[in-house]
Amino acid sequence: QQQVKQSPQSLIVQKGGIPIINCAYENTAFDYFPWYQQFPGKGPALLIAIRPDVSEKKEGRFTISFNKSAKQFSLHIMDSQPGDSATYFCAAAILTGGGNKLTFGTGTQLKVEL
Amino acid sequence: NAGVTQTPKFQVLKTGQSMTLQCAQDMNHEYMSWYRQDPGMGLRLIHYSVGAGITDQGEVPNGYNVSRSTTEDFPLRLLSAAPSQTSVYFCASSYSGHSNTEAFFGQGTRLTVV
Repeated sequence: QQQVKQSPQSLIVQKGGIPIINCAYENTAFDYFPWYQQFPGKGPALLIAIRPDVSEKKEGRFTISFNKSAKQFSLHIMDSQPGDSATYFCAAAILTGGGNKLTFGTGTQLKVEL
Repeated sequence: NAGVTQTPKFQVLKTGQSMTLQCAQDMNHEYMSWYRQDPGMGLRLIHYSVGAGITDQGEVPNGYNVSRSTTEDFPLRLLSAAPSQTSVYFCASSYSGHSNTEAFFGQGTRLTVV
């Protein structure tokens, strides 16, 4: 049972393009939605995160759009660069005093071509 | 600060052998967890701990044991390795509570069971 569904599985864009990765979730108790970036041979690293009380969050070239009623959120990468080529994971968690128990999507392999 | 340190980086086991994957963090995080990453399946939670002496099961706990005797260390034990446990294993840590939720991941352990 995939609680967080991510698409597409892979994506190729030209330098300067705006790749968009989409995620959908089932559990309405989720209240924390991070995106992680992973380079080959490395562990995932937090890129940007959003709480459900806002519809958009921007950090540099990365933007999360959040639609609570549709139970969907997406990552947009503005002016994409070859250095953005990586695997991107969306995730969701229910934040309690117990910590950060993340449920991940299946990942999107992004390639940015010159 | 070293962050989250995992050892070994690579390991080959024969079916039926046991081993321990080590994880240590120096950020005084209460929460630690183990994930496995398989192609097309994202990261799945194996076990987690909200503090020393407290552990609980995640999504895919069968075949694995954990213990948490100190805040810093959270080893993962494979009791009797099976080919289905061939995967990349990641340890993560974070603070508990709502104020600081970023999860930090180690570099991973690539395990092959033959």
